[in-house]
Amino acid sequence: AQSVSQHNHHVILSEAASLELGCNYSYGGTVNLFWYVQYPGQHLQLLLKYFSGDPLVKGIKGFEAEFIKSKFSFNLRKPSVQWSDTAEYFCAVCPYSGGGADGLTFGKGTHLIIQP
Amino acid sequence: EAEVAQSPRYKITEKSQAVAFWCDPISGHATLYWYRQILGQGPELLVQFQDESVVDDSQLPKDRFSAERLKGVDSTLKIQPAELGDSAMYLCASSWSGSANEQFFGPGTRLTVL
Repeated sequence: AQSVSQHNHHVILSEAASLELGCNYSYGGTVNLFWYVQYPGQHLQLLLKYFSGDPLVKGIKGFEAEFIKSKFSFNLRKPSVQWSDTAEYFCAVCPYSGGGADGLTFGKGTHLIIQP
Repeated sequence: EAEVAQSPRYKITEKSQAVAFWCDPISGHATLYWYRQILGQGPELLVQFQDESVVDDSQLPKDRFSAERLKGVDSTLKIQPAELGDSAMYLCASSWSGSANEQFFGPGTRLTVL
């Protein structure tokens, strides 16, 4: 079975700082990769996703992530964070199923706090 | 904007009681998922439906949990009897079909078992 590891459970940054959240997964086959975000009091929502092609993917609100297959990693980055980026961030993986079972396996999440 | 609806938003029950959660996916979404999120953890898949059929229930504790999606639209997740360890957020998500499509999550039902 696949698993996802997020390295940092709590991150505190100041506004305008650069952000990188680590995510590693374990699975030997083809995977689809996701980052979800949960802002305080809101639903989980998709930040970005990787299925194939360019390993550098761009998402909403200036976020991007890079898939490095050799390292089984999918780290999330943002060059300059804002106070409104305070949220819980989840990395998720789904083995490619060709339309069958495709539930997501999530990491434990990273609680990001941006100080004004 | 279309959303996944869930009810109730909060449920407090005593152990050994039965509880049920309801989910109405975004219209037209054939795939529906139930996840459980324990405090401080990421969501864990319980069951996946494609239309009215179960695609994956390998992580569903079938001795006490059941899920149905009789008409391939809304779905109900039931726990009977509830145990203290079932206290968690129960999330419903839906998507058009297949992992190529984004899963849209509902607000969840927060269950507390006393």
